[in-house]
Amino acid sequence: NAGVTQTPKFQVLKTGQSMTLQCAQDMNHEYMSWYRQDPGMGLRLIHYSVGAGITDQGEVPNGYNVSRSTTEDFPLRLLSAAPSQTSVYFCASSYTGPNYGYTFGSGTRLTVV
Amino acid sequence: GENVEQHPSTLSVQEGDSAVIKCTYSDSASNYFPWYKQELGKRPQLIIDIRSNVGEKKDQRIAVTLNKTAKHFSLHITETQPEDSAVYFCAASWKGGSYIPTFGRGTSLIVHP
Repeated sequence: NAGVTQTPKFQVLKTGQSMTLQCAQDMNHEYMSWYRQDPGMGLRLIHYSVGAGITDQGEVPNGYNVSRSTTEDFPLRLLSAAPSQTSVYFCASSYTGPNYGYTFGSGTRLTVV
Repeated sequence: GENVEQHPSTLSVQEGDSAVIKCTYSDSASNYFPWYKQELGKRPQLIIDIRSNVGEKKDQRIAVTLNKTAKHFSLHITETQPEDSAVYFCAASWKGGSYIPTFGRGTSLIVHP
C-alpha cells in the first residue's frame, strides 16, 4: 500500500496562474479531504468528498475547485492563484463512518509570488 | 458547525515531565475525538482516538480522557522524551458534519533534554 500520495511536493506559482494538486489513495477509502495549513491556524478544511461523484465545501473553499470521478483520486484545482493561497496543502482519506482517523498525504508546499 | 478550541498553543517541559493538552468542542453531537502528532516538516499522524461512549483510553505513555458533560477532552503524555517534541492536533467529528473532523489550532510541545 502506498497510502495517500500527493504531488507535487513543492510548487511556485505566479499570481493568476492555475494548477492542480494531485491526490491518490489505494486503501479504498470513501472519504477524502483537502486541508490547508497556515502558521497558528491549524488545519482548515477546503473541500471534501464522501464518495465518488460527491463533493462539498469546507471552511475555506473560495478559489479552489475539486472533483471526484473515481474512489482513488481527488485533485484540487487552484483557478487563479493568489498570494493568500501560499500554504501547505494536505490531502487525507479515511473509511466511511464516525470511528476512523485520517491518513494524510505528505503535503504540498505552495508559494504564490 | 463544530468549533474546537485547543490550549495551550505552546507547551515547554523538561524530559521526564508530564504534558497535558486540552480541547473543548461546541457540538454535543460530536462522537469521535482523534489526536494527531505532526513532527517538523512531516504529515500529521493519528496517535490515539476516543469515542463518545468511552471516558479514558491509554496506549503506553499517552492517554486521552473525555468529559462529555463538559464537552472537553485531553491528551496526557507521561515521561516525556525529546522525540515527543511536535505539534499535536485534537479534532472532533459527528454525523451531521458527515464525520469530517474539525481540528483545533494545534499545540507545539517542546521537550527539553
